[in-house]
Amino acid sequence: AQSVSQHNHHVILSEAASLELGCNYSYGGTVNLFWYVQYPGQHLQLLLKYFSGDPLVKGIKGFEAEFIKSKFSFNLRKPSVQWSDTAEYFCAVNAPTTRYIPTFGRGTSLIVHP
Amino acid sequence: DTAVSQTPKYLVTQMGNDKSIKCEQNLGHDTMYWYKQDSKKFLKIMFSYNNKELIINETVPNRFSPKSPDKAHLNLHINSLELGDSAVYFCASSFRQGNTEAFFGQGTRLTVV
Repeated sequence: AQSVSQHNHHVILSEAASLELGCNYSYGGTVNLFWYVQYPGQHLQLLLKYFSGDPLVKGIKGFEAEFIKSKFSFNLRKPSVQWSDTAEYFCAVNAPTTRYIPTFGRGTSLIVHP
Repeated sequence: DTAVSQTPKYLVTQMGNDKSIKCEQNLGHDTMYWYKQDSKKFLKIMFSYNNKELIINETVPNRFSPKSPDKAHLNLHINSLELGDSAVYFCASSFRQGNTEAFFGQGTRLTVV
């Protein structure tokens, strides 16, 4: 079945540690890829997006993601996390087979200890 | 100004009641969505409206019905509420279907008792 998979459900880090969250998708065709963040008690906000071009995209707050087409992956990275990065992170895909309606992974809960 | 606004933010109601959640966007977007976020934070699409036309309806019970009086509004009506309907419901909008991101409202936490 077509899906968006986030492999890390819960991640706990100390401040200044590096972060990488995995995201894989199984949709064919030209897809658009997103990472959203949901801070505690808040709505989802866009971190970054990939439509085409340079597969390494930079987003807000020092986040970046790399699109690897051959691996159907779009992993999120940050070299040095902060306590304020504690949040839920969602990978999302717009794909032609789902009429470009955003389809989300199950999310990764990140806790950063000060 | 809030781009996508939902009301109410919290809703506590008894089983069997009928309730509505309102959503408005002031971004001039063509497409609006309703998502349900369960207790494990999983976001599931419920409805999508494009230019006031329902373009997809996932396997959602027919107790749920979207109503769009105009392009800027997509309200969610729920009849005969059940305990399993307790969740956070998010409204979202996007400029169009395709390579555009979604903008989300603050969510409505529905608790059915």
